[in-house]
Amino acid sequence: SQQGEEDPQALSIQEGENATMNCSYKTSINNLQWYRQNSGRGLVHLILIRSNEREKHSGRLRVTLDTSKKSSSLLITASRAADTASYFCATVMTTDSWGKLQFGAGTQVVVTP
Amino acid sequence: DAGITQSPRYKITETGRQVTLMCHQTWSHSYMFWYRQDLGHGLRLIYYSAAADITDKGEVPDGYVVSRSKTENFPLTLESATRSQTSVYFCASSFTGLSTDTQYFGPGTRLTVL
Repeated sequence: SQQGEEDPQALSIQEGENATMNCSYKTSINNLQWYRQNSGRGLVHLILIRSNEREKHSGRLRVTLDTSKKSSSLLITASRAADTASYFCATVMTTDSWGKLQFGAGTQVVVTP
Repeated sequence: DAGITQSPRYKITETGRQVTLMCHQTWSHSYMFWYRQDLGHGLRLIYYSAAADITDKGEVPDGYVVSRSKTENFPLTLESATRSQTSVYFCASSFTGLSTDTQYFGPGTRLTVL
């Protein structure tokens, strides 16, 4: 079964609005990463948050991590049409000896002009 | 161009045939990975390699074979393709394989097994 699960599965918003998606995981992690995938392309790394961090920012992205609830959220502020993509969370579990990523099924985001 | 490339980008084959998907990276990254992406499953790790001549199984290795004779290449072979192996395959690489290291993905190969 998957370590990470995103919610919602799909999200449709208008340009300028904020987009929030959540990721829940099952076991203790070293860190959690968010990746973006544009249609027909490979994944692109967005941001990494370590298990001892609670919040991290990168441009219009804000990631939070609550290890007590085993959940993370990704907020994209002031969305643009170019933000249309699938977003995946990936966790690195504490039981893994190297940076093995466990991906969720993703949230598909559509931003309409 | 520098980066990570995959070939072919699209492949249609028949059940029982052998297929090899190629992956090449120009960064001299130590770690390389093969994932498959299916609807509803996200990405699942097939095999990974920590260095030339060092490979290990991931989550879904059955039916696949890998080799890594050179640091920059990591081919994935389906020895006898099955319909269940219809998927999009992504190759990725990372510099060290440490938990904080970013993985860089290729553009993917869409494989259809008839």
